Formats: sequence, structure tokens, C-alpha cells
Amino acid sequence: AQSVTQLDSHVSVSEGTPVLLRCNYSSSYSPSLFWYVQHPNKGLQLLLKYTSAATLVKGINGFEAEFKKSETSFHLTKPSAHMSDAAEYFCVVSEMSYDKVIFGPGTSLSVIP
Amino acid sequence: GAVVSQHPSRVICKSGTSVKIECRSLDFQATTMFWYRQFPKQSLMLMATSNEGSKATYEQGVEKDKFLINHASLTLSTLTVTSAHPEDSSFYICSARWGEGNQPQHFGDGTRLSIL
Repeated sequence: AQSVTQLDSHVSVSEGTPVLLRCNYSSSYSPSLFWYVQHPNKGLQLLLKYTSAATLVKGINGFEAEFKKSETSFHLTKPSAHMSDAAEYFCVVSEMSYDKVIFGPGTSLSVIP
Repeated sequence: GAVVSQHPSRVICKSGTSVKIECRSLDFQATTMFWYRQFPKQSLMLMATSNEGSKATYEQGVEKDKFLINHASLTLSTLTVTSAHPEDSSFYICSARWGEGNQPQHFGDGTRLSIL
């Protein structure tokens, strides 16, 4: 069975410092993994995706994530936080043969000026 | 690319009214569309999955007669909340996907539904 854990419900960083948002998953087969960002009262925007190619995935707005199968993790990072990064972030897992996706509970990122 | 348009963005109406929300994939053909409901400070809750030309598959606990889903073409799905009541007030989000489950979903901007 699939599941997604986002270990931190809220993360607060200072502007210009690194961001780390953690995600662990469980999946019966080779999963596809995604990170989405949601700004208030908006839909979700795809940041990046892992679909069994390179384990280090680069996304938009300077974000990247590394797939580590041995640790069943897919943590999201950014070297330097910007004020506009303040939002809710969701880690999502899916499988090719499975129509639905599983959303993590979300991590709220605050960026302090 | 991969733009999904959702309308309206906000609806305020009286109890008992039926409300229709549209979800369009603007630059790709969506083999599958999804409808979600999101409560404040929570993750998305899948309501139903629909494939073009076939009946939607509803999640457990979601009333199919209450939330009517139509997926008439590869670029349009609609959600109609029938006889809406205050407890139906929520943020509804659609998404569209081309291809198999390992492809990403692309989301609309959501509809804030408020029933008075």
C-alpha cells in the first residue's frame, strides 16, 4: 500500500537560508514522486517530478529533490529561500498502474525577512 | 504548458441552489480528471476520478447524487453540487492528467464555494 509522510507540518526559515522539506514514502512498486506547491486560495503547481530517471531532480524556482530508495525518501531542498517561497508544500506518490495518487499532509513553509 | 482552467473561482449562493464548476485542460488532452475537496489547513481529499466518456468513480463516502460529475470531452469536466447546503461550503479543486498514473496531475486554481 502507498503512503506518504511529511515529517514537519511547519517549517520556518530566514530569507536567504537553505530550505529542507522532508518526505518519506512507502510503495509496493517503483513509484513516481512529485512535489507540489500551493499558495493561499490557489490550486497546486507542480515543482518537480521523479519518474525513475535521474535520482536528483531539478525543478522550477530553484528547487530540487533527491530520490533515495534505500531511505524511501524524497526530500525537497532549495539553497536560498525567497519570501515568495512561503506556501504549503505537498509530497505526492503514484504508481503507473494505479490511477490515484497519495498526498502527504503538507508542510507549511514560512520565510522570515 | 499543461494549463488547467477552473471556473468560477468563487461562488456565493443560497442554500438549496445547484452550483456547476467547470474544469478545462487548455493545451493538452486529459485522459483522466480528478475532483478534490480541501478543508482549511488540510491536504486534498479525492472525491472522484473521471475518464472521458465513462462514469466517474467516486470515493467512499462521497454521494454521487449530490456531486454530479460529467466528463464529456477530453478537455472538459464539470462538477455540479446539487441542492447545496452550508456543509458543502469548501474549496474544490480539479486536476487533469494525460497518460498513466506515473504522469503528473495538473491543477486548476480551485473554486471557493460558500453556501449561505
